[in-house]
Amino acid sequence: QVQLVQSGAEVKKPGASVKVSCKASGYSFFSYGVSWVRQAPGQGLEWMGWISADNGKTNYAQEFQGRVSMTTDTSTSTAYLELRSLRSDDTAVYYCVRDVHVGSWRYFDYWGLGTLVTV
Amino acid sequence: SSEVTQDPSVSVALGQTVRITCQGDSLRYYHASWYQQRPGQAPVLVVFGTNNRPSGIPERFSGSNSGNTASLTITGAQAEDEADYYCNCRDTSGNHLVFGGGTKLTVL
Repeated sequence: QVQLVQSGAEVKKPGASVKVSCKASGYSFFSYGVSWVRQAPGQGLEWMGWISADNGKTNYAQEFQGRVSMTTDTSTSTAYLELRSLRSDDTAVYYCVRDVHVGSWRYFDYWGLGTLVTV
Repeated sequence: SSEVTQDPSVSVALGQTVRITCQGDSLRYYHASWYQQRPGQAPVLVVFGTNNRPSGIPERFSGSNSGNTASLTITGAQAEDEADYYCNCRDTSGNHLVFGGGTKLTVL
């Protein structure tokens, strides 16, 4: 079965960086992209960006440009999210999701359990 | 600010039908997907490609689209359907994705 297992909770000081991992299993890692979605306490969902597990191509939401990096390690089927220059409003649960592109359809069919980052 | 908007809250009597809507210009061109999030849990995909259900999602969940509005309909709402629901689609540029602000569904 498809699983996305994320790293544990993090506590960071303002100005620091955080790197969250997401290990995929149960499917061909190269065949799908990975998006990252965050949710601040009591707030809605926010798409941060996407990475192709096939070629490493990325597409970041405008809000995070210059402050975010998404990478993959295909040898371990693991995706990473790095967010730099952390601020208090970056406190949120960060989810990795399997990102499906089928023709004009685009959706997130599997979600990790989330990683709480507290700044 | 989100390019797609949802009503913050909706309520429905047990066993009745409820429609949750998502509005935005990009919905004229792109399909919406819908996610259910129960308190303390990760979101779950319930509808994709406007009106397709993943395996395991009850038939009472369906989707539709008209003009700039996508809708998620629950026919015969159950107590376990009480949750937050989010729509997602591409933005007007087509390059990025956006979520609606979410709708809190209360089953009375």
